Amino acid sequence: KNQVEQSPQSLIILEGKNCTLQCNYTVSPFSNLRWYKQDTGRGPVSLTIMTFSENTKSNGRYTATLDADTKQSSLHITASQLSDSASYICVVSRGGTSYGKLTFGQGTILTVHP
Amino acid sequence: KAGVTQTPRYLIKTRGQQVTLSCSPISGHRSVSWYQQTPGQGLQFLFEYFSETQRNKGNFPGRFSGRQFSNSRSEMNVSTLELGDSALYLCASSLAGLDEQFFGPGTRLTVL
Repeated sequence: KNQVEQSPQSLIILEGKNCTLQCNYTVSPFSNLRWYKQDTGRGPVSLTIMTFSENTKSNGRYTATLDADTKQSSLHITASQLSDSASYICVVSRGGTSYGKLTFGQGTILTVHP
Repeated sequence: KAGVTQTPRYLIKTRGQQVTLSCSPISGHRSVSWYQQTPGQGLQFLFEYFSETQRNKGNFPGRFSGRQFSNSRSEMNVSTLELGDSALYLCASSLAGLDEQFFGPGTRLTVL
């Protein structure tokens, strides 16, 4: 069964600290993995998209890693800011040209306190 | 460039009613996808339209339907509403295929 598991479900950190969110998947075949950030009351915004051959991809203070062998990805947030408080969703694509082949994780809710 | 817009932003309906949600994609985008998001199930794919044709459909009952117009705007219809249909309905557009999707702000539907 194609599944995407994210951990932790929720996380509270202090402003300025770093944190790492995890994503494990059993989706096959694998095409790419995306991380989205979703602020409360808004639609998700893409942070990174990684294909099989990419190990690391950065977007500002966000760095995603991918280990296609172990089927694990992580999203590392450096020097967190209050605006990083959001839900972070991991999405894995089975390929092809259809969005029906996307499998979504349940998300990690990150809260950054001052 | 304007982003994806969805109307209405909030909607309250009662069981048994039907509802139509609207999505205007980014100019030039031809693919529009719809998703349902609930706290318990997360994001779930409803269907995708490309050039006025439904290209793929998720595992939702036939009460959920959609269409796309020649200007790429899309509508989603839910008939005979149930309490469990209460959710945030998100629309996303992209140029053509599985390239980067841009999401709208969503329509929050509450079924009483």
